[in-house]
Amino acid sequence: DVKVTQSSRYLVKRTGEKVFLECVQDMDHENMFWYRQDPGLGLRLIYFSYDVKMKEKGDIPEGYSVSREKKERFSLILESASTNQTSMYLCASDASGSRGGNGYTFGSGTRLTVV
Amino acid sequence: AQSVTQLGSHVSVSEGALVLLRCNYSSSVPPYLFWYVQYPNQGLQLLLKYTTGATLVKGINGFEAEFKKSETSFHLTKPSAHMSDAAEYFCAVSSRTYKYIFGTGTRLKVLA
Repeated sequence: DVKVTQSSRYLVKRTGEKVFLECVQDMDHENMFWYRQDPGLGLRLIYFSYDVKMKEKGDIPEGYSVSREKKERFSLILESASTNQTSMYLCASDASGSRGGNGYTFGSGTRLTVV
Repeated sequence: AQSVTQLGSHVSVSEGALVLLRCNYSSSVPPYLFWYVQYPNQGLQLLLKYTTGATLVKGINGFEAEFKKSETSFHLTKPSAHMSDAAEYFCAVSSRTYKYIFGTGTRLKVLA
């Protein structure tokens, strides 16, 4: 089975800190995604990447950046953490190329609290 | 543009009763449709998907869903609820691209 691993399950950071969330997948998937999940709002796409060094903004990219230097790793960066970025962050990967259809594989999530 | 609506943010059923979770979608092209389940403090797990072919799709844990184009629906059902089915369920749509749109989720509670 494809495995998507997020480096931390729980993180507590201070306001203004630079925060790195790491995600690694082990099945050579082209596409990788970062979502945040908030009660009542479902999953909202922050950024995605369809190839190494390629990225596109999702629906809520403000305050975030990403890095994909290697195919298996997709990092989410909070440049200056704020309390409104307290959330569950989910990484996903997908081998479907540009046409979708296989279904994402998700990591276990990182619950980030910014104090 | 594509969108997903899940009717009912919370659904309660008795153990052994029918589970019905509703999902309606909009898509400008024939869609790909998915149901995911999320247990507490975990990521999302794919339950089932519809891409092409048979409109009744069977998934894991006894769940199934039927794609009804005329109703733009993809409701999730299970004949008999089990306590272990208590979780949050998400419907998602893709207009045949790698970008999915997720619904806001339905939390299923199973009563003993």
